Amino acid sequence: GDSVTQMEGPVTLSEEACLTINCTYTATGYPSLFWYVQYPGEGLQLLLKATKADDKGSNKGFEATYRKETTSFHLEKGSVQVSDSAVYFCALSDEGGSEKLVFGKGMKLTVNP
Amino acid sequence: EADIYQTPRYLVIGTGKKITLECSQTMGHDKMYWYQQDPGMELHLIHYSYGVNSTEKGDLSSESTVSRIRTEHFPLTLESARPSHTSQYLCASMDRGRYEQYFGPGTRLTVT
Repeated sequence: GDSVTQMEGPVTLSEEACLTINCTYTATGYPSLFWYVQYPGEGLQLLLKATKADDKGSNKGFEATYRKETTSFHLEKGSVQVSDSAVYFCALSDEGGSEKLVFGKGMKLTVNP
Repeated sequence: EADIYQTPRYLVIGTGKKITLECSQTMGHDKMYWYQQDPGMELHLIHYSYGVNSTEKGDLSSESTVSRIRTEHFPLTLESARPSHTSQYLCASMDRGRYEQYFGPGTRLTVT
C-alpha cells in the first residue's frame, strides 16, 4: 500500500538556521502531497500542498516541491523562527478510492532563540 | 478558517467509566475521521465516515465506537475506559474531492 517515510526527530535548531525535513513516498497512482503542522496543544493545520509533479507548495516561508522522479516532497525554510517550533507531518492522499490521508510519523522541531 | 470543534479538550476519568468525545463541524463536509495520537506523535486512523449512517473502522483496531446520525456530528464512545485508552484523540473532516483534512483541537484523555 501507499506509504510515507519522513525524517524523524526530534530536531533542535537555533533561530535563523536553515531547515530541511526529508519526506519520500511510495504510491501506485499520482497522489497529492501535503505538509501539516501541529503546534503545541493544538490539532494539525495544513501548511502547504502540491497536487502534481513539479508543483511547488509554499506558505509562511516554507516550501516543498513535488518530485516524481525521486518520489520526494522535502520541506524547506531558509530561516526558522522560535514560533516554528512544532511537529511536522508529511502526508499523501490515497487516491485508490479510500479517500484517506496517509501520514508520516511526524518530526518534532524545536527552535531556540 | 476551518470550523471543527471537539469537546472536552481535556478529560481525566476513572477506569470502567463510559465516555463520549464530541466532534462537530460546520462546513458541511461529508467525510469525517478520528485519529489516535500516541505520545511519539504518530497518528493512527481509528474510524472514518463518508456520510450519514456510514462508519468504517480505520487502520488501527480500537475498542471505541462511532456514529454518524447527522452530517455535522461524529461522536466517539468508549463503553468502558481503561488506562490503555489514555491518548490524544483528533477529529478531522474533509471536503469532497479536495483531500485537505481540517482538524479539531483534539481531546486529551487520561484514564486512571
